[in-house]
Amino acid sequence: EAGVAQSPRYKIIEKRQSVAFWCNPISGHATLYWYQQILGQGPKLLIQFQNNGVVDDSQLPKDRFSAERLKGVDSTLKIQPAKLEDSAVYLCASTFGSNEQYFGPGTRLTVT
Amino acid sequence: GDSVTQMEGPVTLSEEAFLTINCTYTATGYPSLFWYVQYPGEGLQLLLKATKADDKGSNKGFEATYRKETTSFHLEKGSVQVSDSAVYFCALPDSGGSNYKLTFGKGTLLTVNP
Repeated sequence: EAGVAQSPRYKIIEKRQSVAFWCNPISGHATLYWYQQILGQGPKLLIQFQNNGVVDDSQLPKDRFSAERLKGVDSTLKIQPAKLEDSAVYLCASTFGSNEQYFGPGTRLTVT
Repeated sequence: GDSVTQMEGPVTLSEEAFLTINCTYTATGYPSLFWYVQYPGEGLQLLLKATKADDKGSNKGFEATYRKETTSFHLEKGSVQVSDSAVYFCALPDSGGSNYKLTFGKGTLLTVNP
């Protein structure tokens, strides 16, 4: 069974630029999560989808971050414009009706 | 709200040493508890879990016992290997129930030297 796929693995941008991350969850997993992991901290949930609907986006900085999950499969997370404090690893995870989440390898973003 | 407190790292051990990483939690009710591991350059992987009080989760020589009296879920391994070098996260699901949102501790970096 293929795992959660993410791309790109690394991205370096300048502040005020925009960036997008892509996630393909495990086939059949209805729930998809985006987490932000700042160096030295645990992952923090940004947004949770159930199929193509948003379940929880209370921690998403909506003035600059957006996410979508068209057709209830792949998802894209965008940052526009980026700030220095957005430097982090962005993790995508998916699950099928349980607490056990399966994580992708993450995208490491560096904002200079 | 729900929270997890993990032992501050980093932890550096020699091969075959005994490992304990402390984790305590604050939550409504008795949630499932998890330990995730993150190897260098990789995403998080579920290491073990316990779903109710007094349960013991185990995997790859690691163990953790769900103790409701002390609200703890400490991770232990009797003899660590160099390949165990990673960051370990304690986590619990949101007490709201159906959302399956996880709250993570800050993580503990373990380095095992040969």
